[in-house]
Amino acid sequence: DAGVTQSPTHLIKTRGQQVTLRCSPKSGHDTVSWYQQALGQGPQFIFQYYEEEERQRGNFPDRFSGHQFPNYSSELNVNALLLGDSALYLCASSYRAPPGSNQPQHFGDGTRLSIL
Amino acid sequence: AQRVTQPEKLLSVFKGAPVELKCNYSYSGSPELFWYVQYSRQRLQLLLRHISRESIKGFTADLNKGETSFHLKKPFAQEEDSAMYYCALSGPGSSNTGKLIFGQGTTLQVKP
Repeated sequence: DAGVTQSPTHLIKTRGQQVTLRCSPKSGHDTVSWYQQALGQGPQFIFQYYEEEERQRGNFPDRFSGHQFPNYSSELNVNALLLGDSALYLCASSYRAPPGSNQPQHFGDGTRLSIL
Repeated sequence: AQRVTQPEKLLSVFKGAPVELKCNYSYSGSPELFWYVQYSRQRLQLLLRHISRESIKGFTADLNKGETSFHLKKPFAQEEDSAMYYCALSGPGSSNTGKLIFGQGTTLQVKP
């Protein structure tokens, strides 16, 4: 099991463009969360998908949107890119087991997005 | 406001010395607390969580609700402990699926 896989690993865009990042969860996981990690900062929660619906959202504008497919994979879309969107985007997957069942979130290696 | 604070960006110790990485949090209610670690060229991974009350790789962390702290400790640091450490919290009962709030991270450097 390769665990959580993300593509692409690196991406360069210019201001105003749109980007799509992809994530395949760890085998057996059904929930996907996305995080943005700016240089020198901890990851910041963007949103989470379960059963193909957005379940929780962090403090990010509507330019950030996502999707989850029936096979549990997920996409993160960012429109009208700004210089400040340059960051490492992390995907984390988990299994929606009962609370307290000790099923931690597993992270991917991330996609490094650079905006010129 | 929900917040995690790691006051030290860098902690440098010698091999065999004790280590304490500080973490303070702000949360209305009873959160679940975690420590995540990222070794060089590896992905972020869970080190330990307060509800498990276990020791991983010699590290322990005790939740102090009075001081709202969750400091990570190890009595004798090893060179292989050098990594970036993140403290994180989530809402109660949602640690496996809910959003994680991370601190800014502390780089631990263990010198030979």
